[in-house]
Amino acid sequence: GAVVSQHPSRVICKSGTSVKIECRSLDFQATTMFWYRQFPKKSLMLMATSNEGSKATYEQGVEKDKFLINHASLTLSTLTVTSAHPEDSSFYICSARGQADLSSNEQFFGPGTRLTVL
Amino acid sequence: GENVEQHPSTLSVQEGDSAVIKCTYSDSASNYFPWYKQELGKRPQLIIDIRSNVGEKKDQRIAVTLNKTAKHFSLHITETQPEDSAVYFCAARKTSYDKVIFGPGTSLSVIP
Repeated sequence: GAVVSQHPSRVICKSGTSVKIECRSLDFQATTMFWYRQFPKKSLMLMATSNEGSKATYEQGVEKDKFLINHASLTLSTLTVTSAHPEDSSFYICSARGQADLSSNEQFFGPGTRLTVL
Repeated sequence: GENVEQHPSTLSVQEGDSAVIKCTYSDSASNYFPWYKQELGKRPQLIIDIRSNVGEKKDQRIAVTLNKTAKHFSLHITETQPEDSAVYFCAARKTSYDKVIFGPGTSLSVIP
């Protein structure tokens, strides 16, 4: 299957700082990328959907000014957690889907980023 | 919007026994139902999926059944092994352009 990478895998930051997480599709062009948040022992909660070259669509209850998403190219999307606070500590996972994958319906997940805000 | 429920939340079985996880969905327009396996700290891995024009699909020890009328679908794992221990998520989606909605997950433990 297609490969999606995320960087960093783990990040620890102080409260009030901003953190950027990168999601890359390594061997295909991702027309759509999804950002999820997962708390311990909980399900994946979709935060936003981003299509290359356009603004992200955020799910209800997700603050777009706090979670900035950029999908400027077909292989890279970034999530920036601005002014992070301890309650933002979570596992953030991206997934990507390319135009060619529409028939197969599959989206490919990145390995996740563990964010800890002190 | 779509709502996916999943039962049980935890499941323990003896090695070699079968495990069944059941899900329901609310939106009758959903037509694609993937199942994911997630090990601790890892990414979700697609293990099997089914589309609405099919009632059952099998891949070795894993099978999925779908009842569109009742809006139920189930995952069946036979001859369970310790390496099957993980959290399993069912999910649902309408069109290829729509988002995938995940169920709350089932933590499966296979006891050797």
